[in-house]
Amino acid sequence: GIQVEQSPPDLILQEGANSTLRCNFSDSVNNLQWFHQNPWGQLINLFYIPSGTKQNGRLSATTVATERYSLLYISSSQTTDSGVYFCAVEPPWGDSWGKLQFGAGTQVVVTP
Amino acid sequence: DTEVTQTPKHLVMGMTNKKSLKCEQHMGHRAMYWYKQKAKKPPELMFVYSYEKLSINESVPSRFSPECPNSSLLNLHLHALQPEDSALYLCASSQDNRGLQPQHFGDGTRLSIL
Repeated sequence: GIQVEQSPPDLILQEGANSTLRCNFSDSVNNLQWFHQNPWGQLINLFYIPSGTKQNGRLSATTVATERYSLLYISSSQTTDSGVYFCAVEPPWGDSWGKLQFGAGTQVVVTP
Repeated sequence: DTEVTQTPKHLVMGMTNKKSLKCEQHMGHRAMYWYKQKAKKPPELMFVYSYEKLSINESVPSRFSPECPNSSLLNLHLHALQPEDSALYLCASSQDNRGLQPQHFGDGTRLSIL
């Protein structure tokens, strides 16, 4: 299967700081999603971004599919940004459609 | 509020009990998924249903039995579970499972096995 590596594993930020999270994957993908899992366990869909750049408020993401990586940018971080950020990819092979493979996640703590 | 609804939110059961988890979506999606997530780990895929038919079973033990009665509803029947089955169970849906579709997740059921 596809290997998904996220870095850094842990990140501590002061409120207002900016940060970049990285996701590397080992093969071409059909689908790449970024999720935020809050401390209550809710898994929130941030971006569906198999390629290109998207922005949503203080968050933006860029996927360079040819180089097999994706970046998630958090600007002006807030305490509500705390939680685990997951990158998940789906292989392009027919028998693996729908099989989202998650990375290990980046644990983010934003301090006041 | 998520558009995928899971009930119950919490469930405590003994190893001899039989219970069911329920997942519902009204987005017209034709693919639905069950994931299992242990503490401090990423979600792991268990089952995929496509057009109400089971298309992927990731070698899940038979004490977990999925069911898709219609295109909006997905159940996970539980019987004779073990303590190591305690986890967060997440349901997701997408337009179909032919790729190039984002998956939308419910809030999960937190299951504890005594």
